[in-house]
Amino acid sequence: NAGVTQTPKFQVLKTGQSMTLQCAQDMNHEYMSWYRQDPGMGLRLIHYSVGAGITDQGEVPNGYNVSRSTTEDFPLRLLSAAPSQTSVYFCASSPRDTDNEQFFGPGTRLTVL
Amino acid sequence: QQQVKQSPQSLIVQKGGISIINCAYENTAFDYFPWYQQFPGKGPALLIAIRPDVSEKKEGRFTISFNKSAKQFSLHIMDSQPGDSATYFCAASPSGGGANSKLTFGKGITLSVRP
Repeated sequence: NAGVTQTPKFQVLKTGQSMTLQCAQDMNHEYMSWYRQDPGMGLRLIHYSVGAGITDQGEVPNGYNVSRSTTEDFPLRLLSAAPSQTSVYFCASSPRDTDNEQFFGPGTRLTVL
Repeated sequence: QQQVKQSPQSLIVQKGGISIINCAYENTAFDYFPWYQQFPGKGPALLIAIRPDVSEKKEGRFTISFNKSAKQFSLHIMDSQPGDSATYFCAASPSGGGANSKLTFGKGITLSVRP
């Protein structure tokens, strides 16, 4: 199993540009989440999904959209990038019927100029 | 309002010593408390986790102690090794309804183990 994969690894955007961060998992996990990590802030939840077709907002959802059309994929869309969205983004997945372990991907480092 | 607070902010320990990281939470609905370890350039990985029905859980050199009345839990790393040098995050989540998809993390602490 590849586990949780994220693409791209690095991305530089200009203010106002849009892009999609890709996340895929091959473990048939029902739950998937997006976090951002900023220095001194820990990880903060952006959006999460408890199954295909079901998404909800986390702590810092503004400026981000998500959708979940399949169990495997959970893309994160930035509609109009802002410098405040410069961060490292982590996708995670977890099965429903275990003791809550989340498996994290390797992250995407995004810089918005 | 920060719901999960870690202390200290950074920690330097000699090889073979004990590393202790503390965490306090505020939301009484939390009932799952994991610790994650993160190496530079990598995603966090689960180290050990506890539920409030036990006061202590040990896995190898890593122990979680849990104090429900004080709403605190801590990570103890025995016989600390240079390979333990990493960032450690405590986290918490409530049960049910997709709770394991929405962890609340502390800010993290950088541990350095000196040879």
